[in-house]
Amino acid sequence: DTEVTQTPKHLVMGMTNKKSLKCEQHMGHRAMYWYKQKAKKPPELMFVYSYEKLSINESVPSRFSPECPNSSLLNLHLHALQPEDSALYLCASIGFRTEAFFGQGTRLTVV
Amino acid sequence: AQTVTQSQPEMSVQEAETVTLSCTYDTSESDYYLFWYKQPPSRQMILVIRQEAYKQQNATENRFSVNFQKAAKSFSLKISDSQLGDAAMYFCAYRRDDMRFGAGTRLTVKP
Repeated sequence: DTEVTQTPKHLVMGMTNKKSLKCEQHMGHRAMYWYKQKAKKPPELMFVYSYEKLSINESVPSRFSPECPNSSLLNLHLHALQPEDSALYLCASIGFRTEAFFGQGTRLTVV
Repeated sequence: AQTVTQSQPEMSVQEAETVTLSCTYDTSESDYYLFWYKQPPSRQMILVIRQEAYKQQNATENRFSVNFQKAAKSFSLKISDSQLGDAAMYFCAYRRDDMRFGAGTRLTVKP
């Protein structure tokens, strides 16, 4: 199973809402990433979890809060977002000496 | 931090012809991985080809091949016998401790 599953696929939220994005993989990978991608731009690294510990935070605003409850699951908690945070959020799972396996992404719209 | 540069924002190729997409990167490491990903309008990230830096032989996957020049830090993608389905955004990516992407090249295939 080389699938990375992201839910929800689409999300519309108000600036005062709290929501969460989920990502799940069952490939036994120990590294999971969150990327943000705006239209016609490359994926931009946000967070890296390695062995369930946050290893990289690319100076992401605190309104984005990542969580890795176990080695298969990665969450991104969202609170008080701004309209400019509207984007495609991609989760990736990476094994030892492998490529990144991507989920289909969550298309987030902040209104 | 490592940087990945794709100097061609857009490229166009006639169906059945060959096209080469360019990528350069900057690193002080000797062991790393390089990838080309394709992102069609669905925005799913699809791996096209991978190259391990320690391997001198250029990777090939059917119609896709790379020209990996380690000393020059260059990693170009050649698409032979281009098909309409090859039209997409192509991202070059570097992986060492994390994975970073170039700005992308939008490939158009003309029938």
